[in-house]
Amino acid sequence: QVQLVQSGAEVKKPGASVKVSCKASGYTFTSYYMHWVRQAPGQGLEWMGIINPSGGSTSYAQKFQGRVTMTRDTSTSTVYMELSSLRSEDTAVYYCARDSSSSDAFDIWGQGTMVTVSS
Amino acid sequence: SSELTQDPAVSVALGQTVRITCQGDSLRSYYASWYQQKPGQAPVLVIYGKNNRPSGIPDRFSGSSSGNTASLTITGAQAEDEADYYCNSRDSSGNHPSYVFGTGTKVTVL
Repeated sequence: QVQLVQSGAEVKKPGASVKVSCKASGYTFTSYYMHWVRQAPGQGLEWMGIINPSGGSTSYAQKFQGRVTMTRDTSTSTVYMELSSLRSEDTAVYYCARDSSSSDAFDIWGQGTMVTVSS
Repeated sequence: SSELTQDPAVSVALGQTVRITCQGDSLRSYYASWYQQKPGQAPVLVIYGKNNRPSGIPDRFSGSSSGNTASLTITGAQAEDEADYYCNSRDSSGNHPSYVFGTGTKVTVL
């Protein structure tokens, strides 16, 4: 079945970087764009950016420009999201979500990765 | 960037109908999609496009849109529909693809 499996929880110190992975299975990896979305504790959903797994092109939310990098590895059907210069406000659950390709909807979601930033 | 505004919370009696709204300029250009999120779980797509339900989503969920407002209606709410609901659309501002989520609505089934 179609699924996205993310890497495990991370604890980082302020100023460090974190790299979260999202492995896709059950569909043609390069045929669907992938989004990253985060959710701080008790807060709403926040869109971070999108990557085209086919060519690797990306588009990031202005808020994260300069701090986020999204990449992919087609040999393992995995996308990555790296966030640098971490601060306490980056403590959140980070989700990857597949773009439906036809209707601007996020049709399949990963289980989420908790990233805690604490000194 | 654009914003999508939702009422923070609504309540509905078991078996009754509730409508959740989402307002924003981007909705004049793009359809909203809607997501249900239960505590400790990832969001689930419930409505997309003009009014489409993914496989497995009950037909008591429906969507509509007019002007700058999109709506999600639950007709005959069930206890399992108690959750947070978020709208989302492509952002109509800027030169490159971007998306925006609504502020979220907590639905309580009484």
